[in-house]
Amino acid sequence: DIQLTQSPSFLSTSVGDRVTITCRASQGISSYLAWYQQNPGKAPKLLIFAASTLQSGVPSRFSGSGSGTEFTLTISSLRPEDFATYYCQQFNSYPQTFGQGTRLEIK
Amino acid sequence: EVQLVESGGGLIQPGGSLRLSCAVSGFTVSSTSMSWVRQAPGKGLDWVSVIYSGGSTYYADSVKGRFTISRDSSKNTLYLQMNNLRAEDTAVYYCARVLTFLGGTAGPSDYWGQGTLVTVSS
Repeated sequence: DIQLTQSPSFLSTSVGDRVTITCRASQGISSYLAWYQQNPGKAPKLLIFAASTLQSGVPSRFSGSGSGTEFTLTISSLRPEDFATYYCQQFNSYPQTFGQGTRLEIK
Repeated sequence: EVQLVESGGGLIQPGGSLRLSCAVSGFTVSSTSMSWVRQAPGKGLDWVSVIYSGGSTYYADSVKGRFTISRDSSKNTLYLQMNNLRAEDTAVYYCARVLTFLGGTAGPSDYWGQGTLVTVSS
C-alpha cells in the first residue's frame, strides 16, 4: 500500500499568513493526488485534484503543486474560515489512501 | 441539486452485521463511480471501498471479505453491507461521488454525504 505522510501534523498560525503543507508518498504516484479540507463534524470538501487543479468554487488562495512523491498545498493568505484539518489522498492505485491530516489552529 | 444521505448506522455488537444506505439525488448512482470512506472518532479519513459505473469493486484490506459495496439503480441508492463487525470498524461512514478521469481512473470525491455513525461494542 502507498503511505502518505503529511507535515506538519499541526500548525499554529495567524490570519493573513501564508501556509504550506507537504504530502510525501512512499512511492511515485504521478499527479494522482487530491487535497481536502474538513471542519469538525462535517464531511470533507474537495479543494484540489490531479495535484494542482482547483475544484470549482474553491477560492484561488488555495493552490497545489508537485508530482511523483512530493506534493504541497499552499494557502496564500489565511482567512478565519480556513482554520480546519487538511488531508491529502492518493488515487494512483488501490487501496486508495489518505495522509494523517494537518490541523491548522489560530495562534 | 446533488444530495447524498446516509442511513443505517447504529450500535451493533462485535460479530454482527449492518447495512448502510446512501440515497442519492441530482445524479444517477449507476452512471458514475461511488465510494465509502470512514472516520473513526477523533481520527483521520480511511478509504473503504469503491464501485465503478461498470460494476467493478475494490476494497481496503481491512474490510475485504467482510464488507460488500453495491447499488440499486431503481432506488438510486448505494449500499455497504458490513458483516463480522469489529470494534475497530467503529466510525462515521461517508458515501461519496467519485470523479472519474480519462481512461476510467477513479479519482477523488467531489460530493459527500453527512455521514452515519457505526458503533461496534458489546
